Amino acid sequence: DAGVTQSPTHLIKTRGQHVTLRCSPISGHKSVSWYQQVLGQGPQFIFQYYEKEERGRGNFPDRFSARQFPNYSSELNVNALLLGDSALYLCASSIEPSTDTQYFGPGTRLTVL
Amino acid sequence: GNSVTQMEGPVTLSEEAFLTINCTYTATGYPSLFWYVQYPGEGLQLLLKATKADDKGSNKGFEATYRKETTSFHLEKGSVQVSDSAVYFCALSEWSGAGSYQLTFGKGTKLSVIP
Repeated sequence: DAGVTQSPTHLIKTRGQHVTLRCSPISGHKSVSWYQQVLGQGPQFIFQYYEKEERGRGNFPDRFSARQFPNYSSELNVNALLLGDSALYLCASSIEPSTDTQYFGPGTRLTVL
Repeated sequence: GNSVTQMEGPVTLSEEAFLTINCTYTATGYPSLFWYVQYPGEGLQLLLKATKADDKGSNKGFEATYRKETTSFHLEKGSVQVSDSAVYFCALSEWSGAGSYQLTFGKGTKLSVIP
């Protein structure tokens, strides 16, 4: 079975632009979480979605938003990009929010110039 | 709030050496504890987990025991291989009260194993 998939693999944007990152969870998993990993640091929680509803949000500005689709895939959107948004964005899926184990995708490397 | 503190790296070991990576945590409740591994250029892979006090998680020769009295979850392996070279993250998962579990990670410990 396929694991968590993310697209694109790499992305280069300039300050002020908008970006959309995509994630498909493991088959049968209904919950998707997004994390930001800045170089040299551990991942930081951004959002969790289940059944198209936001179930949790980390300490990130309103420029960050996400949504989940009926097939449980998800998009992370970031507006008005800043240099500090350069990071590896990781998507993780779990069977449902009440399951404590999450499985990660390979990530999308975003570079903001 | 919750937090995870890991031993500072990088750690360099010779092949077949014994590995210990220290991890301690602070949490308000009773979290599950995890070790994830990240190979160069890749995402995170779940290495092992433990869900309650005195549980031992194990996988691929790695072990970690959930110690509630010392709030620790140290990662150990008896004989490391070159292929174990990676960054290791300790993490805890606790119910947020908002209907979900959220992971809190340490900063990671880079391990390099030399032949």
